[in-house]
Amino acid sequence: GESVGLHLPTLSVQEGDNSIINCAYSNSASDYFIWYKQESGKGPQFIIDIRSNMDKRQGQRVTVLLNKTVKHLSLQIAATQPGDSAVYFCAENESTGFQKLVFGTGTRLLVSP
Amino acid sequence: NAGVMQNPRHLVRRRGQEARLRCSPMKGHSHVYWYRQLPEEGLKFMVYLQKENIIDESGMPKERFSAEFPKEGPSILRIQQVVRGDSAAYFCASSPIGLAGDREQFFGPGTRLTVL
Repeated sequence: GESVGLHLPTLSVQEGDNSIINCAYSNSASDYFIWYKQESGKGPQFIIDIRSNMDKRQGQRVTVLLNKTVKHLSLQIAATQPGDSAVYFCAENESTGFQKLVFGTGTRLLVSP
Repeated sequence: NAGVMQNPRHLVRRRGQEARLRCSPMKGHSHVYWYRQLPEEGLKFMVYLQKENIIDESGMPKERFSAEFPKEGPSILRIQQVVRGDSAAYFCASSPIGLAGDREQFFGPGTRLTVL
């Protein structure tokens, strides 16, 4: 069956460091991926997405890398700030489906001042 | 431009009661999705609806759970005869009328259901 998993459940970094959050997916037919940020008591907030015809996409302080060969996705956050502390989820979607997102279990990012 | 609205934000029910969760999608969005999240876990897809139609309910439990998205008004997720295992956060998401490759979903703040 489809599954999305993460290698690190908790990541602790110092303010100003760069953070890397990893995600593995198992559905080779997935062709769209999203990273969400979820703060305590809130709904997931869109960060960045990438389609399978790309290897890399950059946003403001964030970069997503996609390696289709090993079915691996990563989120890089530059100059991590305390406000970045949250749980980060990767989610995948297969275009032949009905926009159903399959979420991983999440990585908690803790940023110390 | 208001985002996805959900109410109530918190709902407490005793075992055997009914729970009704409401979701109003973003303006202009006609696709609604419901997800369930257990503590310390990722979101699990439940159901995908368009106005007056259930498109994909593959994640819905076979019994006690139902969803609707009427022509007028919010989408409703209904849980009958709730049990303690139904305690979770329920999130609604919406997306625009489908465009090729446009698959971003915008999430509401969620309803936290506690079953006593």
